[in-house]
Amino acid sequence: DIQMTQSPSSVSASVGDRVTITCRASQGVSSWLAWYQQKPGKAPKLLISAASSLQSGVPSRFSGSGFGTDFTLTISSLQPEDFATYYCQQANSFPLTFGGGTKVEMK
Amino acid sequence: EEQVVESGGGLVQPGGSLRLSCAASGFTFSNYWMTWVRQAPGKGLEWVAHIKQDGIEKYYVDSVRGRFTISRDNAKTSLYLQMSSLRAEDTAVYYCARALAGQADTFDIWGQGTMVTVSS
Repeated sequence: DIQMTQSPSSVSASVGDRVTITCRASQGVSSWLAWYQQKPGKAPKLLISAASSLQSGVPSRFSGSGFGTDFTLTISSLQPEDFATYYCQQANSFPLTFGGGTKVEMK
Repeated sequence: EEQVVESGGGLVQPGGSLRLSCAASGFTFSNYWMTWVRQAPGKGLEWVAHIKQDGIEKYYVDSVRGRFTISRDNAKTSLYLQMSSLRAEDTAVYYCARALAGQADTFDIWGQGTMVTVSS
């Protein structure tokens, strides 16, 4: 199974800050990496597919990059609605696996 | 509006069975892979099972293989998860999700989830 490791597990930030979350796969997943945002009590929301493809309707302050085993999600200027937990997910092979999550909290 | 709505969750004793349903609307259900993902209380996301458009090709996480069965009825635009021999560790919110067109293993439409509690 491919293990997905996210870091940090939590980050404290202020509105306007640049936030970067990393995701490392235990083996290469090519570009088959997705990022989701989840708010308390809500379903996950797909932000980015195929490592860097921004989903329709997702603000351009979100961006993704990486290939193989190392990936990043960047929020260029944190907005109040961005405080949430973020998960990466490899879509390369079964079993599909998620990272442990990164909680973005208000400083 | 494209949406999926889960139902069927509840409290069940260890060793018991439960069938979850997911009703899809607003899109051509038969064109998409579908999946179940779960989230234990206070924990992260765990993929559970995945089914191809034709209902024949299926995949499971090891911890549920042999106990859970994913199925679909394209005529009823519905997805199902039959769960048996339930364990305490199966307690979670279960989400139904649609795969992206052209990317079978990334999920763009999610339901609100249905809670399954396994406890005596």
